[in-house]
Amino acid sequence: EDKVVQSPLSLVVHEGDTVTLNCSYEVTNFRSLLWYKQEKKAPTFLFMLTSSGIEKKSGRLSSILDKKELFSILNITATQTGDSAVYLCAIFLNSNTGKLIFGQGTTLQVKP
Amino acid sequence: NAGVTQTPKFQVLKTGQSMTLQCAQDMNHNSMYWYRQDPGMGLRLIYYSASEGTTDKGEVPNGYNVSRLNKREFSLRLESAAPSQTSVYFCASSGSGFPQHFGDGTRLSIL
Repeated sequence: EDKVVQSPLSLVVHEGDTVTLNCSYEVTNFRSLLWYKQEKKAPTFLFMLTSSGIEKKSGRLSSILDKKELFSILNITATQTGDSAVYLCAIFLNSNTGKLIFGQGTTLQVKP
Repeated sequence: NAGVTQTPKFQVLKTGQSMTLQCAQDMNHNSMYWYRQDPGMGLRLIYYSASEGTTDKGEVPNGYNVSRLNKREFSLRLESAAPSQTSVYFCASSGSGFPQHFGDGTRLSIL
């Protein structure tokens, strides 16, 4: 069965720290891996990773996919309190079905 | 700049009641989705619509029906609500094949 597992499930850091969130998957064929940030309401799209080894970067956030070892990481440098959120990883299987398989999410709390 | 709008934001139902959750997007997207989010389980796809007039079942379609009335609107109906359907429901839309824009969610409690 296709599965996505995120770790840790929760994390508390202080402002300025660097964090690494992990996403491992057991999926045989997929199009892309996606990262979302969910604050109090709607998830917002962060990154789409399709190729192994190519880093995507947006400000203090970056992400990379390793298709050989079946995982992705999301790095956040110089964390701020506004980074506090649930970070969701999802595998995008097939554009014909629109199906994503989501992990459970990692809850990040950044303390001042 | 509304994006994806869901109504209502909150609802409490009794077991056996029916209701329709509404979703509308103003980005001219072809694809629309309904997800439910339960604690510790991420988001699970209920139904998907690739275009006006087409709908497909997702992972957890039982107990739900959908209507893609036009390109803008995609509604989710619970015909006979059950406590197991207590959840937060998200509608999403996409012009790129995967859910990219989400609504703020509907928090539904069934007693």
